[in-house]
Order: sequence, then structure tokens, then C-alpha cells
Amino acid sequence: DAKTTQPPSMDCAEGRAANLPCNHSTISGNEYVYWYRQIHSQGPQYIIHGLKNNETNEMASLIITEDRKSSTLILPHATLRDTAVYYCIVRDNYGQNFVFGPGTRLSVLP
Amino acid sequence: SAVISQKPSRDICQRGTSLTIQCQVDSQVTMMFWYRQQPGQSLTLIATANQGSEATYESGFVIDKFPISRPNLTFSTLTVSNMSPEDSSIYLCSVEDEAGATKQYFGPGTRLTVT
Repeated sequence: DAKTTQPPSMDCAEGRAANLPCNHSTISGNEYVYWYRQIHSQGPQYIIHGLKNNETNEMASLIITEDRKSSTLILPHATLRDTAVYYCIVRDNYGQNFVFGPGTRLSVLP
Repeated sequence: SAVISQKPSRDICQRGTSLTIQCQVDSQVTMMFWYRQQPGQSLTLIATANQGSEATYESGFVIDKFPISRPNLTFSTLTVSNMSPEDSSIYLCSVEDEAGATKQYFGPGTRLTVT
């Protein structure tokens, strides 16, 4: 079973920031938080991952709470092409599999 | 990042037949993975395929139904055997990032419809 919970769906206005929450209250010390997204009819795409520090790349920012029990993926200026299902996954780097939950279906509206 | 291709991209098959899906990677990778995504559902791991060893199957998936080959470090096949309509899904392969073994990259998927 997935170790994360996410809202099933969210809307965001084009050009605004999209903030996608994820709860992972049972995360262990050596588990990372990963975010992937799946645009319709495509394979999942890696977005970002982190352990405990906040991370930023060209696609998004990842904010992890100090207790690491939750995190937020931020798309700073959402576009229509960001409409997708976003998956939050926790996993260590010592052989655990990626376990995909149902994710959050983000709809970016014009 | 690895570039992954799959063949076929989609197929419509009759029940009772088998389909072999190919996965090709543009670089050598140790671990390859096969996932199934049933209509409207999330991804479920079928098996992990390492070159030179038998694939490791997840609970609920068996080798007789989903035989896997891994002849070299850039290629793998998944066969869906004796298909039924319940096998209609998207089948995806993925590979692990060799640089740090932290990320997985996914192929575009094979959309299978069984009639």
C-alpha cells in the first residue's frame, strides 16, 4: 500500500501557483519524498525529490515540513500543460519499490 | 536521463492469445521494471527484471501469465499470456537512474485492449 495520502483532485487558475499537498506521517528517517506526474496517455515523469531540505529545480519546488510528516509540491506558474495526475511517493534508496497511490488530479483552468 | 521506447504503442488482441511487449533503453541499466495501469487506476508493479537472473514478481503476478525476458542491459520483453478482457491495461516499463539509483524513468506505455 502507498504510504502517502493526497487529495483526489484540485483546480488551479492558469498563471497562478499550484500547491499540491501530501501527507506521509509514517515516513522513516531514510525515506525520500518523490513527486512524479502523469499527463494523459503518457508514462509518469519525474519532477523532484528530497529528504528533509527544501528542493527547487526548473520544474517545481518541494517544501518538506520540519517533522517530515507532510510536504507540498509547488508549481510556481501553472500552465495548461501542467494538467496531469501528480503522485507523491516515499521510498528509501536501498531497494524499496516505487509504490504509486491514486495521486492528485490537477486541472489547470484558463 | 534515460530514453525509453516501447513497442507496440497500442494493440487490440483477441482473448486467449498472447502479446509480447518490447522495452528498449538508450543506455545500459541494471534494473528494469514492468508496471500495469488498469483503466482509471494508478500504476501497479508487476515485476523487476535484472539482467542475468530470473525476474522477481510482485504478489498477485505469476511468471506463467507474465513471462519476462532480459537478454541484455538495454532490452526487456513482457509477455501477456492467454489474455482476457481483464488484461486490458497500459503496460509500462521503467529503469532506474544508474547514476544514483534514486529516480525511475518510464517508457511511454503500451495500451492493450483485449476483446
